[in-house]
Amino acid sequence: GEDVEQSLFLSVREGDSSVINCTYTDSSSTYLYWYKQEPGAGLQLLTYIFSNMDMKQDQRLTVLLNKKDKHLSLRIADTQTGDSAIYFCAERFPGRRALTFGSGTRLQVQP
Amino acid sequence: DAGVIQSPRHEVTEMGQEVTLRCKPISGHDYLFWYRQTMMRGLELLIYFNNNVPIDDSGMPEDRFSAKMPNASFSTLKIQPSEPRDSAVYFCASSGQTNTEAFFGQGTRLTVV
Repeated sequence: GEDVEQSLFLSVREGDSSVINCTYTDSSSTYLYWYKQEPGAGLQLLTYIFSNMDMKQDQRLTVLLNKKDKHLSLRIADTQTGDSAIYFCAERFPGRRALTFGSGTRLQVQP
Repeated sequence: DAGVIQSPRHEVTEMGQEVTLRCKPISGHDYLFWYRQTMMRGLELLIYFNNNVPIDDSGMPEDRFSAKMPNASFSTLKIQPSEPRDSAVYFCASSGQTNTEAFFGQGTRLTVV
């Protein structure tokens, strides 16, 4: 099947680190993405990683990719209340431009 | 650039009526995607175009749904006749040849009563 799996909910306290996990389906996927969706808004790209990389860091965001286990994670350092949103991981299969999305993880940041 | 523009932002219609959703992609982008978001099924790809030509419409639910892209700056998604189970947020996204990511519009929230 083509199910990208994520846990539904994560709650953290402000200032802590958040780790959102994702299991994707196809080990030959070329790119893997993290998008953020705030209430009533569209999806905003946070970061992406090419499949030949293990890690990518961008300011407070760290993406880890374990190709063997088809596991992707997004770590948000020093989580802020403004980070509260739904986070989607997505994969892109070779030769296909459309992305396949997970169900999204709702991150709640407690002050 | 104003980004991907969708209209209307909200649409409420009665069952059986025709609904047309509109999308203007980012200028210069040659890929356009229509997605549907529901609580039950998450984000599903409905159809995508490359250079105005439909490439993959396998996600279109049934014959009641149709999508067109008459030119590089405009696309429509039409539902005729609409049903309550079509209620969802419909997103349009676009991407250019050199982009790895897709850029999303704000979505159209459709409610069919």
